[in-house]
Amino acid sequence: NAGVTQTPKFQVLKTGQSMTLQCAQDMNHEYMSWYRQDPGMGLRLIHYSVGAGITDQGEVPNGYNVSRSTTEDFPLRLLSAAPSQTSVYFCASSYGSSGNTIYFGEGSWLTVV
Amino acid sequence: AQSVTQLDSHVSVSEGTPVLLRCNYSSSYSPSLFWYVQHPNKGLQLLLKYTSAATLVKGINGFEAEFKKSETSFHLTKPSAHMSDAAEYFCVVIRAGSYQLTFGKGTKLSVIP
Repeated sequence: NAGVTQTPKFQVLKTGQSMTLQCAQDMNHEYMSWYRQDPGMGLRLIHYSVGAGITDQGEVPNGYNVSRSTTEDFPLRLLSAAPSQTSVYFCASSYGSSGNTIYFGEGSWLTVV
Repeated sequence: AQSVTQLDSHVSVSEGTPVLLRCNYSSSYSPSLFWYVQHPNKGLQLLLKYTSAATLVKGINGFEAEFKKSETSFHLTKPSAHMSDAAEYFCVVIRAGSYQLTFGKGTKLSVIP
């Protein structure tokens, strides 16, 4: 049981490049989400999904795209990377809402130069 | 709407002395509350969670937190700090029936030998 797996762990991009952060979970969780973590800001929600084929925007969605074609996978796409997207990205998943434990991936460190 | 305020951005304690990390929350509906810990360059690990059962919640590594509805607080405590407790701690709220987490901005705990 691998839990939540994120790849890559580290990435350096040039401004304007695109890339996809991968997230996969093997717990059959319906809810998946992406957060970014910036110093002194905590974690902020980018996009989330409550099931295959359903996605919605979070607090900071601009510049990011997501899709949920399967229960297991929830990739995050940076369409045209900007230095402001330099951050640590976390994928999370849970079964059901509210009090159920949320599981986080190990994080992806992204630098845009 | 919901929000979380971690009252201290940085707490420093001596090894063997008590730890108190403060968290106040605001939520329109009955919330679930979590504390997560993040060690440097690592992902987030669940310490404990409150989901409307007992108000005093015991977590891993000797941590506990008390839910006080009248004070809208969920402070994290540990009787005796260990060097391995040095990390950043996040208080997180999610309202009943929701999937979306709201994070505090984090408290960095330093433990002095």
